[in-house]
Amino acid sequence: QVQLEESGPGLVKPSETLSLTCTVSGDSVNSGDYYWGWIRQPPGQGLEWIGSMYYNGNSYYNSSLKSRLTISIEPSKNQFSLKLTSVTAADTAFYFCARSPYYDSLTGFYKFQPVFRNWGQGTHVTVSS
Amino acid sequence: DFQMTQSPSSLSASVGDRVTITCRATQDISKYLNWYRQKPGKAPELLIYGASSLQRGVPSRFSGSGSGTDFTLTITGLQHEDFATYYCQQSYSIPPTFGQGTQLE
Repeated sequence: QVQLEESGPGLVKPSETLSLTCTVSGDSVNSGDYYWGWIRQPPGQGLEWIGSMYYNGNSYYNSSLKSRLTISIEPSKNQFSLKLTSVTAADTAFYFCARSPYYDSLTGFYKFQPVFRNWGQGTHVTVSS
Repeated sequence: DFQMTQSPSSLSASVGDRVTITCRATQDISKYLNWYRQKPGKAPELLIYGASSLQRGVPSRFSGSGSGTDFTLTITGLQHEDFATYYCQQSYSIPPTFGQGTQLE
């Protein structure tokens, strides 16, 4: 049973870098079966996909965040991480890490399928001075 | 980006009721539509993928249908734990996008 757990500072100052880590247990980030990604949710609002990465470095980013965003995978620690630079109050949100399959069940093709089957419990990040 | 619109935004129901939530895409997304349930203070959990496939472990009272631009989630026999917020999400195009949510109360 895979488990994902987010960790990182709960408070970040404006203009600084938000850094979060997701630790995976019960699966390997190197397995090749899944993409590993991040989704956020401002308090009381809806869900926004941030980006996802495959073990070989192939990645998809939300274009609205791409200029500030880096997602990376650390196989030795079985973790993946998120870095978002130049944050503002608009980046205040719950941040979730999530796993999605490298398989399209509708076509049988192997490709990134952003179906978020497994989630971490989420971590709240506030951007404030 | 593909916009997803859910209706209603909120819905009042009682235990045992049958409820239906709809989701509309601005463009044809085939059957690349997923449904999630989010309980207060928790992460979303996948219920339905591919418009109508039940995620493993999800109770059979949940069902989904639709293709193209119009989709529905039906819950037959509401349970206490189903009073939550429901989101649809398209996985046809990058970026994947979510509906605004339907709060079941």
